[in-house]
Amino acid sequence: QITLKESGPTLVKPTQTLTLTCTFSGFSLSTSGVGVGWIRQPPGKALEWLALIYWDDDKRYSPSLKSRLTITKDTSKNQVVLTMTNMDPVDTATYYCAHTESKWRDAFDIWGQGTMVTVSS
Amino acid sequence: EIVLTQSPGTLSLSPGERATLSCRASQSVSSSYLAWYQQKPGQAPRLLIYGASSRATGIPDRFSGSGSGTDFTLTISRLEPEDFAVYYCQQYGSSPQGYTFGQGTKLEIK
Repeated sequence: QITLKESGPTLVKPTQTLTLTCTFSGFSLSTSGVGVGWIRQPPGKALEWLALIYWDDDKRYSPSLKSRLTITKDTSKNQVVLTMTNMDPVDTATYYCAHTESKWRDAFDIWGQGTMVTVSS
Repeated sequence: EIVLTQSPGTLSLSPGERATLSCRASQSVSSSYLAWYQQKPGQAPRLLIYGASSRATGIPDRFSGSGSGTDFTLTISRLEPEDFAVYYCQQYGSSPQGYTFGQGTKLEIK
């Protein structure tokens, strides 16, 4: 059974850097075709994809946020870490990590419960 | 950048009725990489359809997806009370495009 869980601060100040960790189980991020992505959702708004990392360390970023994002993986710990610099109140959102695999045509088949991050001074 | 536009924004129907949700892309999308999700309040999204028309594991057969090119459709043949939620389409393109989500369609009880 695949599970993912996000962790990190619930409150960050403007201009600070946000670091979120996705801890997963039930799969290995060294298996061919597997990836973990980050998606966020501001309150009452739509989903927005942020970043994705594949088993082979290939990384993809949202073009509009690329300069602020870094995604890394620690296969031994079954974790994926997302950092977002220069946080702003508009970045207030629920942040989700999710599993993807080539057999799902890169759709996100399993999601974490999400973690709410508020950006405020 | 590919933009996905979903319509209608809100759809009001009764249980037992048929729901048809639309997702239109600003440029052609590979059908292999078009997905639909359902999201209920306070919950993470759930994958319904991938590859434009394949149902994900455990998804009832009243949910079906179709379409190609720039026009895709999610159909719910007979609405059950638990189907009232927000639905998102999503596409995945080659770098640097990455993933794009539509703005969502809210399916509400009439």
